[in-house]
Amino acid sequence: AQSVTQLDSHVSVSEGTPVLLRCNYSSSYSPSLFWYVQHPNKGLQLLLKYTSAATLVKGINGFEAEFKKSETSFHLTKPSAHMSDAAEYFCVVSDLDAGGTSYGKLTFGQGTILTVHP
Amino acid sequence: ETGVTQTPRHLVMGMTNKKSLKCEQHLGHNAMYWYKQSAKKPLELMFVYSLEERVENNSVPSRFSPECPNSSHLFLHLHTLQPEDSALYLCASSLARGGLDTQYFGPGTRLTVL
Repeated sequence: AQSVTQLDSHVSVSEGTPVLLRCNYSSSYSPSLFWYVQHPNKGLQLLLKYTSAATLVKGINGFEAEFKKSETSFHLTKPSAHMSDAAEYFCVVSDLDAGGTSYGKLTFGQGTILTVHP
Repeated sequence: ETGVTQTPRHLVMGMTNKKSLKCEQHLGHNAMYWYKQSAKKPLELMFVYSLEERVENNSVPSRFSPECPNSSHLFLHLHTLQPEDSALYLCASSLARGGLDTQYFGPGTRLTVL
C-alpha cells in the first residue's frame, strides 16, 4: 500500500526567500515520486519526478526535490520564491506492485497552498 | 498545457439531469484517466482506460459512466447525481498505463449539482 503525507496545508513566504514544501511517503516496493503544481482554475502540471535514478531531481521553474529513502521524504525546494510560484502543490507517489508493474495509480497528497508575499 | 482539453469548463446541473463531460488529448497517448478533486480531499482516481479498454474502476457509483470511443477521447456521462458529487473533474493522459509515465492533466470541469 502507498500513501503520501504533506506536512503543511499552507506555507507562506516572502518573494526572494527560500521555499520548502514537505512530503513524506510510504510504499511497499520501489516508488516513483512526483510533484505537481496547480494554479487557480488550471489543471495540474508536472514539476519534477523521481524514478530511482539520481536522488536529487531538478524540475521546471527552479524547483528541485531530494529523495531520501532513510527518511521516506521527498521535500520540494526552491532557493528564491517568485510571485508566480503562488499555487497549490501536490506530492504524488506511484508504487510498483508485487509483480514489478505499476498500474498507473497515483496517490496524491492533500496539497500545500503556497502564498508568496511581495 | 493545451495537450489535454476538457469541455465544458463549468457545468451546473440538477439532480435529475443527464449530462456528459468530454476530454480530448492531442498527445498520441494510449492511457486516459478521470479524477475527482473535492474541496479538502486528495485527488481521487475514478477510472483508467488503456488502449480504449477500462482497466480500473475505483468503486465509483454507477451514476458515473465513462466511455472511451478511441484513444484520443474520453467521456464521463452523468445521471441522477447528488449534491456531494459537486467537484472539479480532471482528465489526464499518459503514454502508457504505468506509474513511470508522466500524466498530463486537462484544466478540469467544475461541476455543481443543485
